[in-house]
Amino acid sequence: GIQVEQSPPDLILQEGANSTLRCNFSDSVNNLQWFHQNPWGQLINLFYIPSGTKQNGRLSATTVATERYSLLYISSSQTTDSGVYFCAGAPDTDKLIFGTGTRLQVFP
Amino acid sequence: DAGITQSPRHKVTETGTPVTLRCHQTENHRYMYWYRQDPGHGLRLIHYSYGVKDTDKGEVSDGYSVSRSKTEDFLLTLESATSSQTSVYFCAISGDSAGTDTQYFGPGTRLTVL
Repeated sequence: GIQVEQSPPDLILQEGANSTLRCNFSDSVNNLQWFHQNPWGQLINLFYIPSGTKQNGRLSATTVATERYSLLYISSSQTTDSGVYFCAGAPDTDKLIFGTGTRLQVFP
Repeated sequence: DAGITQSPRHKVTETGTPVTLRCHQTENHRYMYWYRQDPGHGLRLIHYSYGVKDTDKGEVSDGYSVSRSKTEDFLLTLESATSSQTSVYFCAISGDSAGTDTQYFGPGTRLTVL
């Protein structure tokens, strides 16, 4: 099966800073999603983005399918952005494979 | 947010006992999934369902069975729980009327097997 590698594993920021999280895939995927797990354990879908660029408020994501990677940008970070960010992909539509996540801590 | 509930939210049980976790959705999504989350592993797919009575295995299905007799309910059963099945279990759904693949997660069930 495909391998999903996320970097960096940990990130510590001060409020207001920007950051870029990266996700690499060992093989092509046609289903790619980003999730945020807050400190209480809740998993929220951020983007469904098998290719191209999407933006939602301070968050945006870009996937370059031909090079098998995706980037998640967080601008003007806030303490509420803290948590773990996961990317996940699948070569077909159903069986997502998750990376091990990037743990983000944002301090005031 | 998608209407997904999981029950129970917390459970402590003993090795060798059967355990059933329930996932209930009110969104009429076609697909339902069970994942487990363990430190250092992210989330791993146990089983999923692509329709009533239609299920398939994920990457860590050994020791688990599932059933889906209604669109809204997806049950995960540990026939004889082991300590290695101590984990947080998440249910997810996808496949709305527009056919999108976006997955939405339930709140999770923390299971401890002593």
